[in-house]
Amino acid sequence: GESVGLHLPTLSVQEGDNSIINCAYSNSASDYFIWYKQESGKGPQFIIDIRSNMDKRQGQRVTVLLNKTVKHLSLQIAATQPGDSAVYFCAETVGAMNRDDKIIFGKGTRLHILP
Amino acid sequence: DVKVTQSSRYLVKRTGEKVFLECVQDMDHENMFWYRQDPGLGLRLIYFSYDVKMKEKGDIPEGYSVSREKKERFSLILESASTNQTSMYLCASSSWAGRAFFGQGTRLTVV
Repeated sequence: GESVGLHLPTLSVQEGDNSIINCAYSNSASDYFIWYKQESGKGPQFIIDIRSNMDKRQGQRVTVLLNKTVKHLSLQIAATQPGDSAVYFCAETVGAMNRDDKIIFGKGTRLHILP
Repeated sequence: DVKVTQSSRYLVKRTGEKVFLECVQDMDHENMFWYRQDPGLGLRLIYFSYDVKMKEKGDIPEGYSVSREKKERFSLILESASTNQTSMYLCASSSWAGRAFFGQGTRLTVV
């Protein structure tokens, strides 16, 4: 069935190190993937997205990798900063490009930055 | 800046009350969504709408209804609030096959 999940609920990373947050999805028909960041008391904020015709996409300090063979998505954050502390969600759009598409979210990974 | 605005940040309601949560977006998006977020359960889709007056049930529609009379506004209605509907409610909007933008959330407590 359709599901988006994360391998680890909590990730602790030393400030300045790189962070890697992983996500598995089960629907091979999904063709659009998004990473969101949610800080305490706020709604999720868009970080970066990737379509299934790409393997990698880079933003400012963030990179998303997509491995369609094993249905795996990852978010890499370079030089992690205290402001990166948040819960990170991956999401997939099922039936992308269709009028009634909806977004399926994983349960989230909490990123904790160690001083 | 794109904006999704939810009418309240915090609400306290009594069991049995009818509760309205309002959401407005200024991006002319076709799709709008209501999620609830609970610890350990992530975001769960309640209802979504892809056009005015159109609605589709999400994963947990029981006890909720929605209204979309205008493109920019999507309302979530709790017909008779119960304590198990205490939660954070998040509204989002997106264009077709596009990224979703979220509101700041409404933390509802039902006593």
